[in-house]
Amino acid sequence: ETGVTQTPRHLVMGMTNKKSLKCEQHLGHNAMYWYKQSAKKPLELMFVYSLEERVENNSVPSRFSPECPNSSHLFLHLHTLQPEDSALYLCASSQDPRPQGSGYTFGSGTRLTVV
Amino acid sequence: RKEVEQDPGPFNVPEGATVAFNCTYSNSASQSFFWYRQDCRKEPKLLMSVYSSGNEDGRFTAQLNRASQYISLLIRDSKLSDSATYLCAGRAGSYQLTFGKGTKLSVIP
Repeated sequence: ETGVTQTPRHLVMGMTNKKSLKCEQHLGHNAMYWYKQSAKKPLELMFVYSLEERVENNSVPSRFSPECPNSSHLFLHLHTLQPEDSALYLCASSQDPRPQGSGYTFGSGTRLTVV
Repeated sequence: RKEVEQDPGPFNVPEGATVAFNCTYSNSASQSFFWYRQDCRKEPKLLMSVYSSGNEDGRFTAQLNRASQYISLLIRDSKLSDSATYLCAGRAGSYQLTFGKGTKLSVIP
């Protein structure tokens, strides 16, 4: 496998459920990210992990809980979500400090619907 | 003021046309800039990095104007396959990329 892999691709969950999103990168990168993309909004950064330590947490509600067990894997644990949390959740990775001109590589995303 | 702003479009252009998108940024400390392409229901994919001197990749040209704080993307000889949403992004610190909402392009036969 190459690149950044996210599972599941689609997820429908009730507001009382607990689920986890998984991301795995095969690029040897040392930083991983969770972004949320809602309709008609820009990509919103949720969490940043660098060398397995969380370095940014952009005021994300506690019902979202990230976990980074190693530099290749990133999880987003979900519980008691709200319908407005329905969105495309994108994982990305990069090598930091990065060379000039080096962006992120995104996974294909998990489309989450909260019912 | 939003950090990165783009005209959402849609831009509807005929095949073969030249189309340009602009993106303005408010953080003067931004150092690196990128254009991403996102197809419907897919993830963003890096299209081009944007250098101060401007850079070209085939039909695509990206430019940066630091004085006016905007970046641009020019697409020449548009193809049907260029239809997508184009996202600009800027980075000020070590990690975080800040994205615009994207500009939707539809190339019409």
